[in-house]
Amino acid sequence: LAKTTQPISMDSYEGQEVNITCSHNNIATNDYITWYQQFPSQGPRFIIQGYKTKVTNEVASLFIPADRKSSTLSLPRVSLSDTAVYYCLVGDISFGNEKLTFGTGTRLTIIP
Amino acid sequence: ETGVTQTPRHLVMGMTNKKSLKCEQHLGHNAMYWYKQSAKKPLELMFVYNFKEQTENNSVPSRFSPECPNSSHLFLHLHTLQPEDSALYLCASSQPANYGYTFGSGTRLTVV
Repeated sequence: LAKTTQPISMDSYEGQEVNITCSHNNIATNDYITWYQQFPSQGPRFIIQGYKTKVTNEVASLFIPADRKSSTLSLPRVSLSDTAVYYCLVGDISFGNEKLTFGTGTRLTIIP
Repeated sequence: ETGVTQTPRHLVMGMTNKKSLKCEQHLGHNAMYWYKQSAKKPLELMFVYNFKEQTENNSVPSRFSPECPNSSHLFLHLHTLQPEDSALYLCASSQPANYGYTFGSGTRLTVV
């Protein structure tokens, strides 16, 4: 299983772009990169998933360099409601998600 | 609402009680999961069901007993729990190889 490393916490002001980087040096050929968001006392919510280059949806962008040893979740113009824990997961999802392991995540705090 | 409904939202039980947690999804997913999230700890995968069959049991004590009568319902039966079992219990569902988990809001369990 690819081990991931993320910053434990980050602070940002409202309206700024926030980039959270995840390191996964041992990523395997078949592994995908998935990001989740979790608010207190709620289950994690899927944000975005990618394999290589750049993926964008209505919530975020995911940047993956050619060597795939890291990835960056980009949240544009954050608001107070983006305060949450963000998890980076790496694994082969071909046969299900149970091999994906949640780490401690990055606690993002948005400051007014 | 995520499409995965967990009941009850909160539960307080004594160490000699028997209770059950319920999870229901109508997303057409074939895989369902139980996770445990203790304070300040990463999510821990407990059980996995694929097409109603248990495919994973991560060394969970026998005081936790899962049941999956059909692809839409998942139960976690609890008996003779310990105070350290107090945690947020999360249910999730997924389609294999397709955009990750959908989590419920969880059951906050307190064992007294």
